Amino acid sequence: AQSVTQLGSHVSVSEGALVLLRCNYSSSVPPYLFWYVQYPNQGLQLLLKYTSAATLVKGINGFEAEFKKSETSFHLTKPSAHMSDAAEYFCAVTPQGYSSASKIIFGSGTRLSIRP
Amino acid sequence: NAGVTQTPKFQVLKTGQSMTLQCAQDMNHNSMYWYRQDPGMGLRLIYYSASEGTTDKGEVPNGYNVSRLNKREFSLRLESAAPSQTSVYFCASSTPAYNEQFFGPGTRLTVL
Repeated sequence: AQSVTQLGSHVSVSEGALVLLRCNYSSSVPPYLFWYVQYPNQGLQLLLKYTSAATLVKGINGFEAEFKKSETSFHLTKPSAHMSDAAEYFCAVTPQGYSSASKIIFGSGTRLSIRP
Repeated sequence: NAGVTQTPKFQVLKTGQSMTLQCAQDMNHNSMYWYRQDPGMGLRLIYYSASEGTTDKGEVPNGYNVSRLNKREFSLRLESAAPSQTSVYFCASSTPAYNEQFFGPGTRLTVL
């Protein structure tokens, strides 16, 4: 069975500070992992994904995430926060080699606020 | 290329009324999904369709029905709306590779 845990429902950082959003997963088989971003009153859009090609994954808007198998983690980082980064972020997991019956599991989300 | 589209964007219903949420995708994806989003609970899967002609229950299917009309369209029906179904509903479709999901803009439903 798969599960995803996002630590911290709300994170607040100052503009220009490091952004760190935490995600831990549980999966009985090697997973694919995703980070999605949701801006107010919009649908979710993909930030980045881990597909086992490389453990450090770079995404859009300067975000990156590192897959750490030993820690079962896939934390999202950005070196310098911008006001436009304020949004809700979701971590998600699906098993590799998924069948049509497999589903993607989303974490409960982390709301990122940026202080001027 | 519009991606995933949903109608309507907003809807207010009275308890017991019925309605259908429409979803269409133009990316030629086989798999489509309906989710609901509630504060603090992330996205919960209502129903999904792995391919045209098939549908399966997700985590929270009670009170809903779905129809995969063709490869492009996947509708969600509330037969007798209840206040507990007040939520934001998202439709998504996914690629064969990695199960990457593409989302529509959502429908905000209020049931009074």
